Amino acid sequence: SQQGEEDPQALSIQEGENATMNCSYKTSINNLQWYRQNSGRGLVHLILIRSNEREKHSGRLRVTLDTSKKSSSLLITASRAADTASYFCATDGTGTASKLTFGTGTRLQVTL
Amino acid sequence: DADVTQTPRNRITKTGKRIMLECSQTKGHDRMYWYRQDPGLGLRLIYYSFDVKDINKGEISDGYSVSRQAQAKFSLSLESAIPNQTALYFCATSLAGGKETQYFGPGTRLLVL
Repeated sequence: SQQGEEDPQALSIQEGENATMNCSYKTSINNLQWYRQNSGRGLVHLILIRSNEREKHSGRLRVTLDTSKKSSSLLITASRAADTASYFCATDGTGTASKLTFGTGTRLQVTL
Repeated sequence: DADVTQTPRNRITKTGKRIMLECSQTKGHDRMYWYRQDPGLGLRLIYYSFDVKDINKGEISDGYSVSRQAQAKFSLSLESAIPNQTALYFCATSLAGGKETQYFGPGTRLLVL
């Protein structure tokens, strides 16, 4: 079964707007990661946030983590058409020996 | 990521046929993984290997087998393909010793008729 569930499943915004995606998970984690996937291609790592961190930034990306709610959010600011992709959260539960469990993804469409 | 390559990129086969998907990496990572991706279901782990002689089942290993011939190579086999194995297959690698970033290959699109 999936550990992470992203919300919304699909998001359509205009260029320049901010995009927020959410991820909920079920069990305790060590880290949570966000990956991006362009249509039909391999996943690319975006950012990792550890369980003792609450917020992390990387360029136009901002990730938050609330372990009490077992949830994370990914914010993409000032979106561009090139941000169009699917975004996945991935968690590694404590004691799961380097295995990542991926969510179902949010499909982001950024229009001009 | 060009450091992780998969062959073939696309494959059409018939029910009952044996098929092998190959993964090679030049990243020098010890850990390698095979996932399948189905629409709406995200990625699911099939098998993973932490070293040449180490093989571990993932979430959905039934109907699949793997071989870790060398540090750089990890092959996935479907002994007798069935239509519900039609999916996008990804290989990934990561460094040993941590639950860190995974690096993905470009994927193999498999269609079983």
